[in-house]
Amino acid sequence: DQQVKQNSPSLSVQEGRISILNCDYTNSMFDYFLWYKKYPAEGPTFLISISSIKDKNEDGRFTVFLNKSAKHLSLHIVPSQPGDSAVYFCASTEFGNEKLTFGTGTRLTIIP
Amino acid sequence: NAGVTQTPKFQVLKTGQSMTLQCAQDMNHEYMSWYRQDPGMGLRLIHYSVGAGITDQGEVPNGYNVSRSTTEDFPLRLLSAAPSQTSVYFCASRAPRGRGGYTFGSGTRLTVV
Repeated sequence: DQQVKQNSPSLSVQEGRISILNCDYTNSMFDYFLWYKKYPAEGPTFLISISSIKDKNEDGRFTVFLNKSAKHLSLHIVPSQPGDSAVYFCASTEFGNEKLTFGTGTRLTIIP
Repeated sequence: NAGVTQTPKFQVLKTGQSMTLQCAQDMNHEYMSWYRQDPGMGLRLIHYSVGAGITDQGEVPNGYNVSRSTTEDFPLRLLSAAPSQTSVYFCASRAPRGRGGYTFGSGTRLTVV
C-alpha cells in the first residue's frame, strides 16, 4: 500500500517557466511533509518542508503548497533552471515519528 | 565538513555472505536512519536510531541488523546476503531540534549475486 504517491514519473519544462511537481498521500496522520532533490550517484538533498498547520511555505524559487482536505501537496519551482534537472521525492511523516515515507519520485528535466 | 560518510561506495557480495555497511556523521546529530532505494519504489526505511543505544525497525528490517554504540556511527549489517538485497543504501542523520530534513550520505551500491 503506497501511502505517498507521485503519479508522474517524469516531467519536462522549458527553462524559465514554472515546474509543478505533485504528491498525494493517504495517511491522515501525516502532519509534516518534505521535498528532496536527488542527482545521479548522490544522496537526496533536503529542499523544503511544510507543517500541516500551514498551507504554503516559500524558500527562494521553491514553494510548497499543502491541501489537507485533498491530501495533496505540490512543489513549485519558479523560474526553472537547468540545474533543477533531477529526481524529486516527496516524503511525509507524523510529528515526533522518525519514519519518513517517501514517494516514488518524479524526474524533472529542464529544457534549455 | 564531511557531513554523512558512507563506505564502501560499491560492493559485490555472493549469496550467503555477510557484511557491514559503514555510516559516520560529524554533525553531532542524534537521529540516524538507513534507507534502501529500489527502482520504482522510492526510498524505504530499514532501521533508525534516536540516540546512542536506541534503535528501532523501519518498514523493511528483515535481513538487517543495526547497533548504535556512539552518536557518530550507525553501521548496517547484512547477516546472510540475498539477491533481493541488491539495492542502493543511504544513511541519513538529523538533529532532533526543529523539523529540518535529514542529511543523506552519497550511498552504497550493493549487488548480491
